[in-house]
Amino acid sequence: GAVVSQHPSRVICKSGTSVKIECRSLDFQATTMFWYRQFPKQSLMLMATSNEGSKATYEQGVEKDKFLINHASLTLSTLTVTSAHPEDSSFYICSATRQGGGYTFGSGTRLTVV
Amino acid sequence: EDKVVQSPLSLVVHEGDTVTLNCSYEVTNFRSLLWYKQEKKAPTFLFMLTSSGIEKKSGRLSSILDKKELFSILNITATQTGDSAVYLCAGGGSNYKLTFGKGTLLTVNP
Repeated sequence: GAVVSQHPSRVICKSGTSVKIECRSLDFQATTMFWYRQFPKQSLMLMATSNEGSKATYEQGVEKDKFLINHASLTLSTLTVTSAHPEDSSFYICSATRQGGGYTFGSGTRLTVV
Repeated sequence: EDKVVQSPLSLVVHEGDTVTLNCSYEVTNFRSLLWYKQEKKAPTFLFMLTSSGIEKKSGRLSSILDKKELFSILNITATQTGDSAVYLCAGGGSNYKLTFGKGTLLTVNP
């Protein structure tokens, strides 16, 4: 079945540094990648939608200069949290769609900013 | 703005009980309703529903969609402690975007 590999699964970084999260579709071409954030005991909140080769579309309230999304190929999308602060600590997860429908989630990245 | 509301937010039952989880939705250009189970990490896919009135089953789990009432239910029969998790409902709309509900925290006690 379709698999999305997400790395790293857990990262701890210092305040002010940047962190890059990768999502790679292993056996299919991801036409669209969705990036979500989930705070403790909350649901998944969509941050942005990216299509290969074009700029990401960000949801209201999500800073595009802080959360940089790159979807340079049909199998790789990255989310970079720039100048991370403790309030950015959260669970970040990607989800890919492919032709024919269906959503495949990555395994998630738990980010802790200290 | 798209909205998905789940109820109850939490539920505690004993092993063997049957539970029904509810999900109502308001999603523009609705395409599908999805159910996921989330334990420690990423959500695990359970069902995707696109047609009204057709029940989908997988073992002890089943789900059905009512597109007229904008509603879906997830049933779990003969619950087991391994069913303890957060169950998420999501509505798929324009451009395949998913809007998630807050989830139902199910706790199954032995």
